[in-house]
Amino acid sequence: QITLKESGPTLVKPTQTLTLTCTFSGFSLNTSGVGVGWIRQPPGKALEWLALIYWNDDSRYSPSLKSRLTITMDTSKNQVVLTLTNMDPVDTATYYCAHRKPYYYTMDVWGQGTTVTVSS
Amino acid sequence: QSALTQPRSVSGSPGQSVTISCTGTSSDVGSYKYVSWYQQHPGKAPKLMIYDVSQRPSGVPDRFSGSKSGNTASLTISGLQAEDEADYYCCSYAGSYTPLVFGTGTKVTVL
Repeated sequence: QITLKESGPTLVKPTQTLTLTCTFSGFSLNTSGVGVGWIRQPPGKALEWLALIYWNDDSRYSPSLKSRLTITMDTSKNQVVLTLTNMDPVDTATYYCAHRKPYYYTMDVWGQGTTVTVSS
Repeated sequence: QSALTQPRSVSGSPGQSVTISCTGTSSDVGSYKYVSWYQQHPGKAPKLMIYDVSQRPSGVPDRFSGSKSGNTASLTISGLQAEDEADYYCCSYAGSYTPLVFGTGTKVTVL
């Protein structure tokens, strides 16, 4: 059974850097075709894809946020970390990590999400 | 990469069918057979309902079906049930450098 869980601060100040950790079980990022992605959802708004990292350490970013995002993986800890620099109140959202169905272009299992508020 | 366009809301009575459209471009929906649909109940994480345009994951009722024509994908819910009331999001592959783009979301109301 695949599970993912997001963790990180619930409140950050403007200009700070957000660091979120996705801890997963039931699969390995050493397995060919596997990937983990991050998606966010501002309150009352739509889902927005942020980043994706593949088993081979290749990564992809949303063009609109690419300059502020970094995604990394630690296969020994079964974790994927997302950093978002220069936080702004518009970055207030629920942040989800999700498992990429191997070799498919879909995220088939999602974490419960973690809510991050940006406020001074 | 712009979000895919969905109607803000659709509604139907129990037992009826509703269809949600998802309009993209020739750079995403129109070029690939990789459209997914997610169901999201309030306060919950999204749940995968359809992938690869029309494939249902194990456990998803066959009342949910997907299709695509040109730049527009569609999700049809047949035999609408109360528990189908939720937000629905489409998502398309948009190329190797922008793997995913989501839709604007549609609220389905069961009257």
